[in-house]
Amino acid sequence: QKEVEQNSGPLSVPEGAIASLNCTYSDRGSQSFFWYRQYSGKSPELIMSIYSNGDKEDGRFTAQLNKASQYVSLLIRDSQPSDSATYLCAAIREYGGSQGNLIFGKGTKLSVKP
Amino acid sequence: GAVVSQHPSRVICKSGTSVKIECRSLDFQATTMFWYRQFPKQSLMLMATSNEGSKATYEQGVEKDKFLINHASLTLSTLTVTSAHPEDSSFYICSAVGLRGLLDQETQYFGPGTRLLVL
Repeated sequence: QKEVEQNSGPLSVPEGAIASLNCTYSDRGSQSFFWYRQYSGKSPELIMSIYSNGDKEDGRFTAQLNKASQYVSLLIRDSQPSDSATYLCAAIREYGGSQGNLIFGKGTKLSVKP
Repeated sequence: GAVVSQHPSRVICKSGTSVKIECRSLDFQATTMFWYRQFPKQSLMLMATSNEGSKATYEQGVEKDKFLINHASLTLSTLTVTSAHPEDSSFYICSAVGLRGLLDQETQYFGPGTRLLVL
């Protein structure tokens, strides 16, 4: 089982809609989770971090964490064409080799159509 | 705040030569820096973890003698690809984690990446 799993997409939403991105993780001990956005040919940029169960909102973005179900999600409200990118979910590995390192999912490609 | 730079942004070299990539934290001191590699349409793959003043920890399958990492100060880490070959052509990205108390200890801030092409 992969440590962090994401649907590769592409996820296509119309402009102004809500985009919902999901991620599951296998390390039950993970406590810290991150969403990064990566535009084609560029490096990842941090959108949000989340550590506690529940929702965390920042502008148009809301991260949701459910540790019991081992999933993390990112909602993007009022999606814009400029939000079109690959969204990477990441978790801090808590056990085994390289403990403390960030483990990335393969990313979900989002396309927002004007 | 939390700006990380990389130099060069793009490099083309001949097979067999060595290439050095610098990663700098510009406005904070980084306890730990990470080096990643990303091939086209693939996920980020961690290559090694670099702590200031100590030897880097390499991920399984990454040759430490080929990818030399030096973390000489709290703001600079370098990755040297020795005897580069075409299969080393990739997008190399570094990230940094800030010192305790100054920044979130776990959030990694990424540099803009270095695109390496070995001919």
